[in-house]
Amino acid sequence: DTGVSQNPRHKITKRGQNVTFRCDPISEHNRLYWYRQTLGQGPEFLTYFQNEAQLEKSRLLSDRFSAERPKGSFSTLEIQRTEQGDSAMYLCASSQTGSTNTEAFFGQGTRLTVV
Amino acid sequence: AQKITQTQPGMFVQEKEAVTLDCTYDTSDPSYGLFWYKQPSSGEMIFLIYQGSYDQQNATEGRYSLNFQKARKSANLVISASQLGDSAMYFCAMRDYGQNFVFGPGTRLSVLP
Repeated sequence: DTGVSQNPRHKITKRGQNVTFRCDPISEHNRLYWYRQTLGQGPEFLTYFQNEAQLEKSRLLSDRFSAERPKGSFSTLEIQRTEQGDSAMYLCASSQTGSTNTEAFFGQGTRLTVV
Repeated sequence: AQKITQTQPGMFVQEKEAVTLDCTYDTSDPSYGLFWYKQPSSGEMIFLIYQGSYDQQNATEGRYSLNFQKARKSANLVISASQLGDSAMYFCAMRDYGQNFVFGPGTRLSVLP
């Protein structure tokens, strides 16, 4: 068990470009979450998956954002036509179940800078 | 809707002393879990301790304990014998059944030598 892995760790992109991030959860964890965190703030929920099904999306997830989890394993988060306001840390987490007593394990995040 | 409040943006504590980080929450669900995470400057969120809404006793994990007052909807984290490595951001989070985790704004703890 190598923990939650996110790639890349850092991404600098020009405004208007598309970017894609990848998250590999802990194996056998059926829940996968995406969060966004700006400097000095707590993580803000974006979306989560139960296996391959995307069960909830935050209003923060505009039409430019899309997430997938094919086959219920790794997940990708794509941002199209990036804007400077998209600059943030994007965190992925996984948990074994959806029970209230199950903690989430986080990856080290992908820091996006839009210039 | 779920909500987490952490009223202390920053806290200072002397090394080897104890410190309490405040957390209050709001939910209408009778079944929920409360979590504390530590985020060092490296950025990774590290799980510290969990408290269930039906747990009769306060949770403890090593130097971490949770002062759970259900009627007041508070779940304060107590760190005993602070160490320099405890300097970090601390986030309180809640999870209702089947839902995602909702995080508070965090408290930055600085441990002074």
